[in-house]
Order: sequence, then C-alpha cells, then structure tokens
Amino acid sequence: DIQMTQSPSSVSASVGDRVTITCRASQGISSSLAWYQQRPGKAPNLLIYAASTLQSGVPSRFSGSGSGTDFTLTISSLQPEDFGTYYCQQANSFPRTFGQGTKVEIK
Amino acid sequence: EVQLLESGGGLVQPGGSLRLSCAASGFTFSMYGMNWVRQAPGKGLEWVSRISGSGGSTYYADSVKGRFTFSRDSSKNTLYLQMNSLRAEDTAVYYCAKEIYASVNYFFDYWGQGTLVTVSS
Repeated sequence: DIQMTQSPSSVSASVGDRVTITCRASQGISSSLAWYQQRPGKAPNLLIYAASTLQSGVPSRFSGSGSGTDFTLTISSLQPEDFGTYYCQQANSFPRTFGQGTKVEIK
Repeated sequence: EVQLLESGGGLVQPGGSLRLSCAASGFTFSMYGMNWVRQAPGKGLEWVSRISGSGGSTYYADSVKGRFTFSRDSSKNTLYLQMNSLRAEDTAVYYCAKEIYASVNYFFDYWGQGTLVTVSS
C-alpha cells in the first residue's frame, strides 16, 4: 500500500497569511493526487485533483503542485472560511489512501 | 445537481450485519465509478471500496475484504454496501463518493452527507 504523510499536522494562521501543506507519498504516484477540505461535521470537499487542477467552484487562492512523491497545497491568502482539516489522497493504485490530515485554524 | 443520499446506518452488535444504501441523482449513474469512504469518530478518512460504472469490477480495503460487498442497481440509481461480521473498529461515518475521471485517474468529486454506523454491544 502507498502511505501518504502530511505535514504539519496542524497550523494556526491569521487571515491573509499564506499557508502551505505538504504531502509525501511512500512511492512515486506521478500526478495522481487530490486535496480535500473537510469542515467539522461535514463531508469532504474536493479542492484540487491531478495534483494541480482546481476543481470547479473552488476559489483561486487554492493551488496545488508537485509530482512523483512530493506535493504541496497552498492557500495564498487565508480566509475565515478556510478553517477545517485538509487531506491529500493518492489515486495511483488500490487501495486508495489518504494522508492523516492537517488541521487549519484561524488565529 | 448531483446528489448522493446515504441511509441505513445505525447501532448493531458485534458480529451483526447492516446494509447501507446511497441514492444518486443528477448524473448518468451507470457512467461513473463510485466509492465508499469511512471516518471513525475523531479520526481521518479511510477508503473502503470502489465499484465500476457497470458494476462488473470491485475493489476493497484489506480491512473489509471478505466481509463487505459493494453492489449497484442501475434501475434504481442506488448503491449498496452489505456489511457482515461487523466489528467495533467498523464504527464510523460512511460516505458514498462519486468519481471524476482526469489524467488517467479517478478522484472523488461529490460526496454524500454520510451515515453513522455504530458497532457495540
């Protein structure tokens, strides 16, 4: 199985800050990576797929980059509604696997 | 508008069975692979199973293989997850998720609201 490791596990930042979350795969997965946001009590929401493609309707302050084993999700200017937990997920092979999550808090 | 509505969750004793359903609408059901993803209380996301658009191909996490069966009924636009020999560690919110195909891979673009399964005596 491919293991996905996110860092940091949590981040507290102010509105307007740039926030970066990284995800590392235990083996190369090309660009087969997605990022999801999950607010408390809600279902996950797709933000980025194929490592860098912005899902329709997602604000442009979200961006994704990387390929192979190292990936990054960047929020260019943090907004109050961006709180929640962010997960990366590999779609290269079965079983699909998720990172452990990064909790984003607004200061 | 794509909608996914799970049902069938509840309290079940260890060793018992439960069948979850996911009613889909707003897209051509038979054209898309579908998945179940679960989340134990306070924990992260765990992929459970995937079924192809035709229903002819399925994949399972090792943790549920041999106990869970994923099926679909295109006449009813509904997915089913039959869960047998349930264990305490199966306690979770279960989400169904639709796939989007991009760059030779499949990602989860729509999710249901989830249904809670609690396995306890």
